[in-house]
Amino acid sequence: DTAVSQTPKYLVTQMGNDKSIKCEQNLGHDTMYWYKQDSKKFLKIMFSYNNKELIINETVPNRFSPKSPDKAHLNLHINSLELGDSAVYFCASTLRSNTGELFFGEGSRLTVL
Amino acid sequence: ILNVEQSPQSLHVQEGDSTNFTCSFPSSNFYALHWYRWETAKSPEALFVMTLNGDEKKKGRISATLNTKEGYSYLYIKGSQPEDSATYLCAFMDGNKLVFGAGTILRVKS
Repeated sequence: DTAVSQTPKYLVTQMGNDKSIKCEQNLGHDTMYWYKQDSKKFLKIMFSYNNKELIINETVPNRFSPKSPDKAHLNLHINSLELGDSAVYFCASTLRSNTGELFFGEGSRLTVL
Repeated sequence: ILNVEQSPQSLHVQEGDSTNFTCSFPSSNFYALHWYRWETAKSPEALFVMTLNGDEKKKGRISATLNTKEGYSYLYIKGSQPEDSATYLCAFMDGNKLVFGAGTILRVKS
């Protein structure tokens, strides 16, 4: 069983489209994250949810909208996709948001043409 | 802007060599320092979470130390093996978010 699973793993789409990436964790964690791996390979935090409540929203364009239907799921919806949105997006979860280790999904590679 | 610096950027060693990397972070408002191992085509996996000044943690041939007063952590690998080849990330807990360094890429030649 994969602890943190993301779908799809690969997504190729045209500029202007709207797409979603889903994330599910079966670890019973309360806190989930979305990270973006940028062009320099840095992992940059985008959003964090704790028990369905948004607690971190970094300076991400409002075309990106996270949704957490329950604490085991954190989905990322992206409107009006742009070329610069091409990246690998990683979902992660943790038991303790201050000191707990993060468990990462395998990443979703988004390519915008 | 919070900076987490890692050095060196990359490292090539021979099998059996011991090696170490450095992570520098702000020394104020310290909560935790994480180390992750990231193999190609996989997801990052936690090695250590360190919270106390002077902490030393060990997992097999890999160990880490922490100095929160001067803002650095060292990761050591003893007797490197080809399977140790990966990117090693450190991350600093800034309030409630984890800020990652760029990583050190380790390649171990057999």
